[in-house]
Amino acid sequence: GAVVSQHPSRVICKSGTSVKIECRSLDFQATTMFWYRQFPKQSLMLMATSNEGSKATYEQGVEKDKFLINHASLTLSTLTVTSAHPEDSSFYICSARPAGESGNTIYFGEGSWLTVV
Amino acid sequence: GDSVTQMEGPVTLSEEAFLTINCTYTATGYPSLFWYVQYPGEGLQLLLKATKADDKGSNKGFEATYRKETTSFHLEKGSVQVSDSAVYFCALKAGGGNKLTFGTGTQLKVEL
Repeated sequence: GAVVSQHPSRVICKSGTSVKIECRSLDFQATTMFWYRQFPKQSLMLMATSNEGSKATYEQGVEKDKFLINHASLTLSTLTVTSAHPEDSSFYICSARPAGESGNTIYFGEGSWLTVV
Repeated sequence: GDSVTQMEGPVTLSEEAFLTINCTYTATGYPSLFWYVQYPGEGLQLLLKATKADDKGSNKGFEATYRKETTSFHLEKGSVQVSDSAVYFCALKAGGGNKLTFGTGTQLKVEL
């Protein structure tokens, strides 16, 4: 089946630094990718929707200047957490919708654990 | 707003036991309902779905019925296997948008 890969799977960074998480669709082109965040014992929360070649659409309460999303190609979206703080420590998951597929066809990455110390 | 509530885990069962993971939802209109599964080290995968009331989604021996009257979509399997050990997420999508609303996930551990 279709594969979405995230890198890195785990990252530790120092407070105040920036960290980038990549989301790649390995065997299909994705016009739309989604970024989710999950805090311990809470639901996955949609952060933003990114469309290839255009600006991402952020959910209410998500700071677009802190969570920079770039979807520069049909197979790659990146999430950059800028000036990270310990409260940004979380599990980040991306998902991708193949070009031309119906609304319910979405493939998820394996997730990335971010720890800010 | 929309929300999904599912039972907390972890749920630990012996092989061949019956499984139920409860899921209830709150949404405007008539959402589509989903169960996703995440095996260790892998991404979430769609397990089954139902798009309207009384629909039953089924896959790999798992079933869930869309119950509008109780706003529920409980996941069941008659006989679990060790290979079913994973985290299960209930989710909904309301309206024609892209947004999936997830529950917190329930970890299932199946032991021999």
